[in-house]
Amino acid sequence: KAGVTQTPRYLIKTRGQQVTLSCSPISGHRSVSWYQQTPGQGLQFLFEYFSETQRNKGNFPGRFSGRQFSNSRSEMNVSTLELGDSALYLCASSPDSIEQFFGPGTRLTVL
Amino acid sequence: LAKTTQPISMDSYEGQEVNITCSHNNIATNDYITWYQQFPSQGPRFIIQGYKTKVTNEVASLFIPADRKSSTLSLPRVSLSDTAVYYCLVGDMYNQGGKLIFGQGTELSVKP
Repeated sequence: KAGVTQTPRYLIKTRGQQVTLSCSPISGHRSVSWYQQTPGQGLQFLFEYFSETQRNKGNFPGRFSGRQFSNSRSEMNVSTLELGDSALYLCASSPDSIEQFFGPGTRLTVL
Repeated sequence: LAKTTQPISMDSYEGQEVNITCSHNNIATNDYITWYQQFPSQGPRFIIQGYKTKVTNEVASLFIPADRKSSTLSLPRVSLSDTAVYYCLVGDMYNQGGKLIFGQGTELSVKP
């Protein structure tokens, strides 16, 4: 079975721009979660989608949004980018919310 | 969601057994204990999960005392490739969905 895939793997943007990251979960997994990882704050939960509905949300500003499509693929959008948004963005999928399978991440650099 | 405390870093040598202890004094009745491993620039990988007593799989063992206020991840005969950050998570995995709360983790360094 193919693992979780994330595209793009690397991205460079400038302040004020917006960005969309994509995640394809493992086939059959309906739960998709997003995390932000930075050296200062560590791994932080952004939000989770299950069957196209946001089921959980972390403490991030409204500039961070996401959605899930009927095929379980998910996208995450960050608008009005700030320097502090530079991070590794990780997507995880799960068949049962017990074990999370993480993708390789998208490394976002904001200049 | 219970807060966890783990050592920030540990050093070991190849072939040794490594035990990483995690403290979770406020663990709730429905909470499970889960450990993840993360290599640099990769996503975390599930290692093991338990509720009480001892759980063993092909990678590690998890020891949980009766009061469940702490847990110990045991890695037998570590190799250089076990150098990674290890995270202890506590939560009601069946009801909190995909919302994992990661602490600072323990950076394990295995030397030859």
